[in-house]
Amino acid sequence: EAGVVQSPRYKIIEKKQPVAFWCNPISGHNTLYWYRQNLGQGPELLIRYENEEAVDDSQLPKDRFSAERLKGVDSTLKIQPAELGDSAVYLCASSLHRLAERTDTQYFGPGTRLTVL
Amino acid sequence: GENVEQHPSTLSVQEGDSAVIKCTYSDSASNYFPWYKQELGKRPQLIIDIRSNVGEKKDQRIAVTLNKTAKHFSLHITETQPEDSAVYFCAVSDSWGKFQFGAGTQVVVTP
Repeated sequence: EAGVVQSPRYKIIEKKQPVAFWCNPISGHNTLYWYRQNLGQGPELLIRYENEEAVDDSQLPKDRFSAERLKGVDSTLKIQPAELGDSAVYLCASSLHRLAERTDTQYFGPGTRLTVL
Repeated sequence: GENVEQHPSTLSVQEGDSAVIKCTYSDSASNYFPWYKQELGKRPQLIIDIRSNVGEKKDQRIAVTLNKTAKHFSLHITETQPEDSAVYFCAVSDSWGKFQFGAGTQVVVTP
């Protein structure tokens, strides 16, 4: 079974440029997460989807960040325009979550390392 | 919201010794407690997890204990080996699938 797939693995851009990340979750997983991980820190949730619905985007900086999961499968995360402080690893994760029941294991993708110059 | 604190931030142990990492949380509704290992440049990998109806779980050299009353859980690694060197993260989740991560513990196992 394929794991969570992310692309690109690395991205270097200049500030004020746009950038997009793509994630394909594990087949059958209804919940998809986007995290940002700064060096030496734990993952911080940006947005969480249940199927195609964003159920938690409270931590997403909506002035410059946007995300979509149109068909409830793969997802894209966009930053426009990028700032120096956006340099980080962007991790995607997925799980099979049954609403109001037990939470199942969350699996991570390899991440996209973004460098903003 | 949930607040997860993880200690220590760094841990250096001699090969063969035990390592213990502790996390505390604030939300009593939390019911799922996974631990992840992240090697440099790699993705976080689940190594063990525990649910709120269990007090302890063991998998070979790794064990996790949970104290729901005190709202803390710990990762225990026995007979440490150099390949155990990595950053370890605890996480907490509720029934709604929202995860909160600790800040991580850098474990260094010296031969």
